[in-house]
Amino acid sequence: QVHLVQSGAEVKRPGASVKVSCRASNYSFPIFGMNWVRQAPGQGLEWMGWISGYNGNTNYAQKFQGRVTMTTDTSTSTAYMEMRSLRSDDTAVYYCARTKYYESSGYFDYWGQGTLVTVSS
Amino acid sequence: SYELTQSPSVSVSPGQTASITCSGGKLGDKYVCWYQKKPGQSPVVVIYHDTKRPSGIPERFSGSSSGNTATLTISGTQPMDEADYYCQAWDSSSASVFGGGTKLTVL
Repeated sequence: QVHLVQSGAEVKRPGASVKVSCRASNYSFPIFGMNWVRQAPGQGLEWMGWISGYNGNTNYAQKFQGRVTMTTDTSTSTAYMEMRSLRSDDTAVYYCARTKYYESSGYFDYWGQGTLVTVSS
Repeated sequence: SYELTQSPSVSVSPGQTASITCSGGKLGDKYVCWYQKKPGQSPVVVIYHDTKRPSGIPERFSGSSSGNTATLTISGTQPMDEADYYCQAWDSSSASVFGGGTKLTVL
C-alpha cells in the first residue's frame, strides 16, 4: 500500500520560513510526480505546485512563484515544500499528493495526512 | 489564470440523486477529476479522466462532461456522502486548478 507520511504541525512567526516533508513508501518514487495542495481554514483546496520525482523539475502556481521551493531527496523518497516570508493568511493544512498519470492527463491518487502550519505573532 | 466554477452548496434527501456541476472555459478540451473532502480527512479522488471511477469507490459515483460543464452524479445518495466536493483540471501551462468546492448536504 502506498503511503505518504508528512512532518508534524508547525507554528511560525510572520516573516519566517517553514519546510514540510512528505516521505513516500511502497512505490518507485522517481516514476511519479508530487504535488503540494493547501487548504486554509474555511476555504477550498489550492494547488501550489508540482515536482518531478525523476529529475526535480518543478511547476509552481503563479501565486507561489518566488516564495515556494519544492525539492526531493530520491535517496529517502522524500519530497519537501519550503515557503518563505510567511503571512497569517498562509495558515493552512498543507498536503502532498502523488500524481497518477493516465493517458494524457493525471490525477492525485494518494495524499499525505496533512500538516497544519499556523502563522501567528 | 484558468478558473473552475462550482455552486457553493447542494442539498439532497437520502436515496435521491445529487448532481454537482463544474464549469470552465473550454472544459470539454480537458479531463476533469473529482475529489471528496470530509472534515479532518485528506481528499479522496472519486472520479478521474471525466468518467473513470477508482477501485474502491462505490458505483453510485459517476462523472460526465459536455461542452464547458462537468458533472459529478451520486445516485442513491447516502448520509456518508455528505462532504465537500472539488473538481480539478490541468490548464494549458500544466498547472492544476481546483474549483471552489461544493458542500453536499444529505438531509
